[in-house]
Amino acid sequence: SAVISQKPSRDICQRGTSLTIQCQVDSQVTMMFWYRQQPGQSLTLIATANQGSEATYESGFVIDKFPISRPNLTFSTLTVSNMSPEDSSIYLCSVWQGTGTGELFFGEGSRLTVL
Amino acid sequence: EDKVVQSPLSLVVHEGDTVTLNCSYEVTNFRSLLWYKQEKKAPTFLFMLTSSGIEKKSGRLSSILDKKELFSILNITATQTGDSAIYLCAVLKSSGDKLTFGTGTRLAVRP
Repeated sequence: SAVISQKPSRDICQRGTSLTIQCQVDSQVTMMFWYRQQPGQSLTLIATANQGSEATYESGFVIDKFPISRPNLTFSTLTVSNMSPEDSSIYLCSVWQGTGTGELFFGEGSRLTVL
Repeated sequence: EDKVVQSPLSLVVHEGDTVTLNCSYEVTNFRSLLWYKQEKKAPTFLFMLTSSGIEKKSGRLSSILDKKELFSILNITATQTGDSAIYLCAVLKSSGDKLTFGTGTRLAVRP
């Protein structure tokens, strides 16, 4: 099973600031996925982080607001820029386990509260 | 537009009860359906279903997929307070690697 370390675990941020979330995987993976879960809502995919190329963003999410880095096959960061209270969410990174099992593993999640 | 809908949205039962959670979907190029349990922040994997009519079972939990009627159910028998969580289903399309999640069912099991 993939082990995914994510930090910070939680943070309280001021409106207008930016915060970077880090995700470290214990094995090399081609794609890493960043999800958001707003309070009381389900998970929504923000973007897919590919090593060596630009991230692929889903409809409604833009690079200026959620810049992503993917410097190598085990690490990625997601920045939430110019935060507003609407950005208060749990942010989760995830990776697929190898091939065959079909299990998408999640990091522990980062709970952000924007005041 | 792809849709994954779960019902009920929330459910309160007593220990020992049996519950059935529902997940219906409308997606093009369906490949598989996954069930997750979310207790705190990170969802944990329960089952992946690809073939219709084949039950997956793990202890008191079981799940089955109906690809003709486009739905899946998750059964939990002899519920325990530790089963209290949000249960999420998600659909994977054959054309990509990203999951579309349903709204989730919040289950509360009372002692």
